[in-house]
Amino acid sequence: QSVLTQPPSASGTPGQRVTISCSGSSSNIGTNTVNWYLQLPGTAPKLLIYGNNQRPSGVPDRFSGSKSGTSASLAISGLQSEDEADYYCAAWDDSLNGGVFGGGTKLTVL
Amino acid sequence: QVQLVQSGAEVKKPGSSVKVSCKASGGTFSNYAISWVRQAPGQGLEWMGGIIPTFGTANYAQKFQGRVTFTTDDSTSTAYMELSNLRSEDAAIFYCARASGNLYFYYGMDVWGQGTTVTVSS
Repeated sequence: QSVLTQPPSASGTPGQRVTISCSGSSSNIGTNTVNWYLQLPGTAPKLLIYGNNQRPSGVPDRFSGSKSGTSASLAISGLQSEDEADYYCAAWDDSLNGGVFGGGTKLTVL
Repeated sequence: QVQLVQSGAEVKKPGSSVKVSCKASGGTFSNYAISWVRQAPGQGLEWMGGIIPTFGTANYAQKFQGRVTFTTDDSTSTAYMELSNLRSEDAAIFYCARASGNLYFYYGMDVWGQGTTVTVSS
């Protein structure tokens, strides 16, 4: 059971906007920033969003992140077939004094 | 551009230990935090802990405390993860990853190794 809760799956059609939620608690998301990672099959994860809403260089602005209270969201606009992947949220947890990930959301582009 | 290059796949017997290396190619670990992340087959990502080479300090996730050791060799810019007393459920892909500012999560892990598959079988 992951400390951060994500829906196991999400889907959308090309061009659509989809959001993926990530729910935590006061000791993790409520206090610290949230990062998002994308993982394509058979590859290492890739940093998509850090600091709740910052995109690393090279990440398209179709990807955006937000946080409110103890929850965070990743939004993907103009969905493309290559966005089909697993998405993970992550944050530091002060109570555990360690990092925690969400269970991951498998995004399917219909 | 810095790359993290990990050692090759390992097959280990239950009860034994495995040591995985992670070498920074084209850079050093100075002012970075190195995390280790486990991914069991078909499962999600799990933070095992990490080490901050600048300070020589390591953090261990509760689940792995006492069974895992993180070290670095600054002369070769290589980080190591040793997991002992292996059991079948330890079979996974192990990733190393780098984060800026000597902070594990604040700036996100922006460079990842390619992963090392560890199989545990008698």
